[in-house]
Amino acid sequence: DAGITQSPRHKVTETGTPVTLRCHQTENHRYMYWYRQDPGHGLRLIHYSYGVKDTDKGEVSDGYSVSRSKTEDFLLTLESATSSQTSVYFCAIKPGQGVENEQFFGPGTRLTVL
Amino acid sequence: AQSVSQHNHHVILSEAASLELGCNYSYGGTVNLFWYVQYPGQHLQLLLKYFSGDPLVKGIKGFEAEFIKSKFSFNLRKPSVQWSDTAEYFCAVKERAGGTSYGKLTFGQGTILTVHP
Repeated sequence: DAGITQSPRHKVTETGTPVTLRCHQTENHRYMYWYRQDPGHGLRLIHYSYGVKDTDKGEVSDGYSVSRSKTEDFLLTLESATSSQTSVYFCAIKPGQGVENEQFFGPGTRLTVL
Repeated sequence: AQSVSQHNHHVILSEAASLELGCNYSYGGTVNLFWYVQYPGQHLQLLLKYFSGDPLVKGIKGFEAEFIKSKFSFNLRKPSVQWSDTAEYFCAVKERAGGTSYGKLTFGQGTILTVHP
């Protein structure tokens, strides 16, 4: 499982509330990613990080922010959750520096915004 | 922007049938190509990957894929499927432009495979 955990695994919240999802890795990998998975869309990249305090936007970053103050933790925040953010969120890591390395995925967080 | 297209949304097969799932991408430069599988209730796992060399790559569980550069395709195949192959399959592409893509992947929409015993 590449030492990736996500918390919480399930969350139900109301529109307008802030939500933070946590991705934790145990192997000090430099690259970390947040994706959302929606039927008919596959996985879409929200934000990614290439080091502590180094983050950048993906293709669906609106309404999301991230932080990475420690190598092992990558936090995804929905400042004011909307129903359109109901989704399954996956964190991923990419080991090493080589461009050839594949990504490994965490178990996912199912978020429902009512 | 890069896009990845998987032609079939849902494929239904009987055990022992042959499988081919299509994947096409839009980027004209150098790419790395991946197929991931997601079994029901689980996270994504890598089936196989292509970086360079032999365009026919073999992965786990008897899967293989062929990279055809002229067709911008990376189709997944398996000669004889099993009930346990029931899952959702995702094609993914990583651009190699400038070597600084930070490993970002673009995924296709996914294909659900249902195998009947």
